[in-house]
Amino acid sequence: EAEVAQSPRYKITEKSQAVAFWCDPISGHATLYWYRQILGQGPELLVQFQDESVVDDSQLPKDRFSAERLKGVDSTLKIQPAELGDSAMYLCASSPSLGGTDTQYFGPGTRLTVL
Amino acid sequence: GQNIDQPTEMTATEGAIVQINCTYQTSGFNGLFWYQQHAGEAPTFLSYNVLDGLEEKGRFSSFLSRSKGYSYLLLKELQMKDSASYLCAVRDLGYQKVTFGTGTKLQVIP
Repeated sequence: EAEVAQSPRYKITEKSQAVAFWCDPISGHATLYWYRQILGQGPELLVQFQDESVVDDSQLPKDRFSAERLKGVDSTLKIQPAELGDSAMYLCASSPSLGGTDTQYFGPGTRLTVL
Repeated sequence: GQNIDQPTEMTATEGAIVQINCTYQTSGFNGLFWYQQHAGEAPTFLSYNVLDGLEEKGRFSSFLSRSKGYSYLLLKELQMKDSASYLCAVRDLGYQKVTFGTGTKLQVIP
């Protein structure tokens, strides 16, 4: 069964350092999402791509976060510089197309700890 | 935007039935997801309701009332492995953004 891949699974960094997360969606899935989930809360959408285009990044802290999906396939989320409050699970999800009745499939996530 | 409300925690007994409620207020509604999330893991898909009514999948059922902005997830014959957080999420119109509630942490006790 096809899965969303993410790496690394765990990342420990010091504040002010740069970190990057990678996501490879299920093959053929046009829509890709990056979420941040703080312990005890639900996932919060950071950015949504349709193919290579950003369709929603209203909750992305653009002063320090950036995301790209250059060829409309895999994607990278970067934080520079990292802050203590960025410690969270970063989840990538994909769906076949833009909404409708399509299900979102989540990857295993990257757990970030900022010291 | 979306406003989603669900209980923070619930406790139920193994073998019993539990209903987890979710209410939402939205400026545009497409459908409602339920996800299960075990501690430290990613959410896994349970159901997606677009139309009013009850959908059943084995021990899990999900109900939606669009006019009332209300959904529930019904878990029957509870097992210890059902201890997890259950996330209600609403997909809106337009670019189909999905907004999650804070989740309901269910503890199943013997």
